[in-house]
Amino acid sequence: SQELEQSPQSLIVQEGKNLTINCTSSKTLYGLYWYKQKYGEGLIFLMMLQKGGEEKSHEKITAKLDEKKQQSSLHITASQPSHAGIYLCGADRWGGAQKLVFGQGTRLTINP
Amino acid sequence: GAGVSQTPSNKVTEKGKYVELRCDPISGHTALYWYRQSLGQGPEFLIYFQGTGAADDSGLPNDRFFAVRPEGSVSTLKIQRTERGDSAVYLCASSLKGEVLTGELFFGEGSRLTVL
Repeated sequence: SQELEQSPQSLIVQEGKNLTINCTSSKTLYGLYWYKQKYGEGLIFLMMLQKGGEEKSHEKITAKLDEKKQQSSLHITASQPSHAGIYLCGADRWGGAQKLVFGQGTRLTINP
Repeated sequence: GAGVSQTPSNKVTEKGKYVELRCDPISGHTALYWYRQSLGQGPEFLIYFQGTGAADDSGLPNDRFFAVRPEGSVSTLKIQRTERGDSAVYLCASSLKGEVLTGELFFGEGSRLTVL
């Protein structure tokens, strides 16, 4: 089984709708990272969460880390075509972020 | 350019051949990382450099894989006796040591390796 489980594996939503992607770890984390990847491109950093209960927002994307630091959710409000891509959560289990363990990714498609 | 540069972008080779993949990090970034991403999977850690030395090479799958960073800037990932299972996208990332706390790694676009 994966150290980090992302759900759903793929998601198709209508433009303008809200959506949520989840990332669950079997172990407590030092930090949880969200990245976005488009086909043929590298990963783009979205945000990092370290403290239990922490919530961060960037434009229409909000991410939360639960109190036990084992689960995170990424929420997109009023989705746009530019949000399409693969969302990856990465876990820092050792501190310092030198070595991240990634989930398998969630492929998001936005239909106009 | 200002970002992480990886060459070649695509490499097709035959089983058993030797391959080198190059990463040119953002100028001034002391930390450099190699990850490998197979189709439909998230990236998998291979090795991390702080300056010229490999601080953590625990992700290298076997002794056919080796990476160097002789001057603390450009890094080369070397794969000997390639196997079909080595086919993947090899991603390089860099960061300023101080920015590790922000969590932001700057990734290149990757080198897609296909072993026939």
